Amino acid sequence: KNQVEQSPQSLIILEGKNCTLQCNYTVSPFSNLRWYKQDTGRGPVSLTIMTFSENTKSNGRYTATLDADTKQSSLHITASQLSDSASYICVVSTKTGANNLFFGTGTRLTVIP
Amino acid sequence: NAGVMQNPRHLVRRRGQEARLRCSPMKGHSHVYWYRQLPEEGLKFMVYLQKENIIDESGMPKERFSAEFPKEGPSILRIQQVVRGDSAAYFCASRDSSTDTQYFGPGTRLTVL
Repeated sequence: KNQVEQSPQSLIILEGKNCTLQCNYTVSPFSNLRWYKQDTGRGPVSLTIMTFSENTKSNGRYTATLDADTKQSSLHITASQLSDSASYICVVSTKTGANNLFFGTGTRLTVIP
Repeated sequence: NAGVMQNPRHLVRRRGQEARLRCSPMKGHSHVYWYRQLPEEGLKFMVYLQKENIIDESGMPKERFSAEFPKEGPSILRIQQVVRGDSAAYFCASRDSSTDTQYFGPGTRLTVL
């Protein structure tokens, strides 16, 4: 069964600190993995995308890693800011099927001053 | 190029009424997806459409829900005889075929009284 699981479910950190969010998946055949940021009351916005051959991808203070062998990904946020408070969603694509996206339930990050 | 547009942003209906949600994809995108998000839950796929065709509606309830994407105009998600359980945020996304990236709209928050 194609599934995407994220941990932790929620996280509270102090402004300026780093944090790492985890994503495990069982989706097959794998095409790519994306991390989305969803601010409260808004639609998700893509942060990074990684294919099978990519191990790491950065976007400013966001760095995503992918281990296709263990089917794990992480999103590392450095020097967190209050504006990082949002839900972070891991989305995995398969190569087959008209609807080929599988969504995690997200990690709710709260950055406090 | 404007992003994906959805309207209305908020919709309140009484039980038994109809809800009509509209989505205008990004310019040049001919693939549209509808998702539902219940409070504190992840996005759930409902339906995938291309111009004038429903490609995959496996996530959409067979009764009361329908979707269309006409040749001209926005995609419409229609919910007839709404019930309280239909209260949720409904997101539309359009896909860039060249990058296989889905761009999400801001969502419509439906409240059924």
